[in-house]
Amino acid sequence: DAGVTQSPTHLIKTRGQQVTLRCSPKSGHDTVSWYQQALGQGPQFIFQYYEEEERQRGNFPDRFSGHQFPNYSSELNVNALLLGDSALYLCASSLAKGYTFGSGTRLTVV
Amino acid sequence: GNSVTQMEGPVTLSEEAFLTINCTYTATGYPSLFWYVQYPGEGLQLLLKATKADDKGSNKGFEATYRKETTSFHLEKGSVQVSDSAVYFCALSDRGLTGGGNKLTFGTGTQLKVEL
Repeated sequence: DAGVTQSPTHLIKTRGQQVTLRCSPKSGHDTVSWYQQALGQGPQFIFQYYEEEERQRGNFPDRFSGHQFPNYSSELNVNALLLGDSALYLCASSLAKGYTFGSGTRLTVV
Repeated sequence: GNSVTQMEGPVTLSEEAFLTINCTYTATGYPSLFWYVQYPGEGLQLLLKATKADDKGSNKGFEATYRKETTSFHLEKGSVQVSDSAVYFCALSDRGLTGGGNKLTFGTGTQLKVEL
């Protein structure tokens, strides 16, 4: 049983560019949440998607947007990248309660 | 808003030593509490959880008790192994929305290094 799959695993972008990160949830899970983990810090909640709609959102600017598809997979988009956006981006899927986390996408902005 | 405070690391112990990692929280209502572990280059794995006051979560020799009176959820293990070396995160989730779970609020993490 595959867990949460994220792609790509690593990514390098230039300031001002746009990036799209992808997440396939664990089989049977219908909810996807995204977290940003800066180096040496705990993960920070970005937003959560359920039934293809954003249901909760953390304290992140509108440059961060997302989407959930009918098969429950999800994308995280970040526009106008800043150096401070460099982090590990974690996707977590769930059904009712209990999250399963992916291994993350390491984004480096130069 | 919700917040979680953990003791700073790194914590360095010898194998078979006793481990305590302190965690306190601030939240409205009655949150669920969690400990997650992160091994190098990997995502987060749920270690244990407790959903109400006085509940004790346990897994792989690790334990933590939900103490509402002290708003704490300290992680303990009686005898650590080298393989326990990792970063440990305390987290909480408030109740409210049904289905899919609520957002997690994490502490900053505590790195544990266990030496032979």
